[in-house]
Amino acid sequence: TQTVSQSDAHVTVFEGDSVELRCNYSYGGSIYLSWYIQHHGHGLQFLLKYYSGNPVVQGVNGFEAEFSKSDSSFHLRKASVHWSDSAVYFCAACTGYQNFYFGKGTSLTVIP
Amino acid sequence: GGIITQTPKFLIGQEGQKLTLKCQQNFNHDTMYWYRQDSGKGLRLIYYSITENDLQKGDLSEGYDASREKKSSFSLTVTSAQKNEMAVFLCASTIGGDTEVFFGKGTRLTVV
Repeated sequence: TQTVSQSDAHVTVFEGDSVELRCNYSYGGSIYLSWYIQHHGHGLQFLLKYYSGNPVVQGVNGFEAEFSKSDSSFHLRKASVHWSDSAVYFCAACTGYQNFYFGKGTSLTVIP
Repeated sequence: GGIITQTPKFLIGQEGQKLTLKCQQNFNHDTMYWYRQDSGKGLRLIYYSITENDLQKGDLSEGYDASREKKSSFSLTVTSAQKNEMAVFLCASTIGGDTEVFFGKGTRLTVV
């Protein structure tokens, strides 16, 4: 089995601050990792993904994430957040059987 | 671009009632999913299907049935609605395991 854990349920920052949302996974084999964003009242939207190659991947709207096999992590970062980045962020893992596991989500609040 | 349409958007049923949620996608994706989203618990997989007439159970399949009679549609049936399963049900689809998952806007289930 595999699990995805997001250690912070809520994160609050000011506009212009940098932010890191944490994601750790437990699985011994090859894994596909991704991040999704959910604005209030909407479905989830894809941000970025990692499967192999450069461990730092770029996504939309200035988001990036870094894969670390040694730490079993795939943390999401943004250098300077905007109030419109306020949303719930989900980390997801897939091991190739097309069964995606999602974390519990981190609610990001950006204070203008 | 494609779209995933979930109907109805809001579903109110009585305890013990059998209820069906519908999902249509026009991406021509092979794999479709049903997730349940409870507040503070993230997304939990109920059923998924990798092709027409295929069904795979997720971690939360007990109390639910699913049907994939056509490639474009995937329905979920709550066999006997219970008050503790009031949640948002999300339908999703993807081409394959290492690609983006597209989500519908959800069906909010209320059991009275």
